Amino acid sequence: GAGVSQSPRYKVAKRGQDVALRCDPISGHVSLFWYQQALGQGPEFLTYFQNEAQLDKSGLPSDRFFAERPEGSVSTLKIQRTQQEDSAVYLCASSLGLRVPNSPLHFGNGTRLTVT
Amino acid sequence: AQTVTQSQPEMSVQEAETVTLSCTYDTSESDYYLFWYKQPPSRQMILVIRQEAYKQQNATENRFSVNFQKAAKSFSLKISDSQLGDAAMYFCAIYNTGNQFYFGTGTSLTVIP
Repeated sequence: GAGVSQSPRYKVAKRGQDVALRCDPISGHVSLFWYQQALGQGPEFLTYFQNEAQLDKSGLPSDRFFAERPEGSVSTLKIQRTQQEDSAVYLCASSLGLRVPNSPLHFGNGTRLTVT
Repeated sequence: AQTVTQSQPEMSVQEAETVTLSCTYDTSESDYYLFWYKQPPSRQMILVIRQEAYKQQNATENRFSVNFQKAAKSFSLKISDSQLGDAAMYFCAIYNTGNQFYFGTGTSLTVIP
């Protein structure tokens, strides 16, 4: 596709349910980032992949959050036993190269997760 | 640690006028980059302008320009000849050698026809 695609666009989950959020980066993009954006806040870093390798997961808020990119393209962010504080927009971004300043970051439209 | 502060939650500007959005940051790194991103209701973050910290010259992209004051750790965005399509949330961000972005809390810009 022409851009970064995220699905679903909206997700409502009952507290305690597991959810999976999908990101299709631009074809050929090496780097992939996940961000969490709470209401009224700026995006906060969750995790970073270089191809299939997860190089940084320091931003994942708890062990209920898990991300993978097994073939170096599509990535899935999984949240187990969702809590109300997980409600946020989850943004995915990709870039062609390894270093963002030399390779612009392209964002998707995000998935808005609401936990009831 | 990196922090980015945007002290103006909301700003408004008359169409065709000029507006300046403020941003201050803190970092202990010497090598970093600063960005302004625009986020319309579609939620997609769109790059507006970027500045390399080692460059003294202020970046300019058409109607968008920055005032980068490195010693003061200030990075404001000036939008000239404001258009209705400029209405959005604007986020200031710092990027460092750790390959991470740190974003501010955003400024909501309204353009009045």
